[in-house]
Amino acid sequence: AQSVTQLDSQVPVFEEAPVELRCNYSSSVSVYLFWYVQYPNQGLQLLLKYLSGSTLVKGINGFEAEFNKSQTSFHLRKPSVHISDTAEYFCAVSDLGDTGRRALTFGSGTRLQVQP
Amino acid sequence: NAGVTQTPKFRVLKTGQSMTLLCAQDMNHEYMYWYRQDPGMGLRLIHYSVGEGTTAKGEVPDGYNVSRLKKQNFLLGLESAAPSQTSVYFCASTPGRDNYEQYFGPGTRLTVT
Repeated sequence: AQSVTQLDSQVPVFEEAPVELRCNYSSSVSVYLFWYVQYPNQGLQLLLKYLSGSTLVKGINGFEAEFNKSQTSFHLRKPSVHISDTAEYFCAVSDLGDTGRRALTFGSGTRLQVQP
Repeated sequence: NAGVTQTPKFRVLKTGQSMTLLCAQDMNHEYMYWYRQDPGMGLRLIHYSVGEGTTAKGEVPDGYNVSRLKKQNFLLGLESAAPSQTSVYFCASTPGRDNYEQYFGPGTRLTVT
C-alpha cells in the first residue's frame, strides 16, 4: 500500500514571494503523482500530474512540480504567488500496481495563505 | 458537459436517519469513486466502482452502501446516520485505460446531529 505525507499543514507567504509545498510518498511499485487544488467551498481541481517522462512538470496557474524518485518526493513550486492562490493543496498518488481500482491516496493537505 | 454533479449540496440529518447522495457524470467514464473529506485527514476512499453494475469497498466503507445501476450514476447511501459521518463527501470519476486523472464533483456537506 502507498502513503503520502505533506510535511506542512499551513504555509503563510507574502504576495509575489516564491513558495514550495512539500510532498513525500512511499510505495513498493511505480506510481503516478498528482497535485490538486481546492478553493474554499469548492471541489478539487487538477493542478498538474506526473505520469512519465520529464521529471519537471508544469501545470496551470504557473505552478510546477519536480518528481524525485530517489527521494520519493513531488514538491510543488511557484516563483511568485498571488492572493488568488490562497487555497488548500493536496498531493495524491495512484499505485500502478493497483490497476483494478485506479484510486488515489491523498495527503492531508497544505493550506496556502497568501498575505498582501 | 456538466462534468461531475452531486445532489444535494448540503444536508442535515438526525442520528439514525437515512439518506442517499447522488453522483452523476456525463463523460462516459468507467470508474467512479466516493471519498469523504475530514479536517487534517485529506480525502479517504469509501467505495468505488469499476463499471456499471459493480461496486467494491475502499478504506472506510463501514456505515455506507453504494449502487451503480447506470454507468453515469453512482449512489452513496447511509442507512442509519451517525455523528461520525459528519463530513464533506466528494464523488469522482476517471475514464480508465491509461488515464488515471480523476474528475471531482463540487461536494456534499453532511451534518449529523
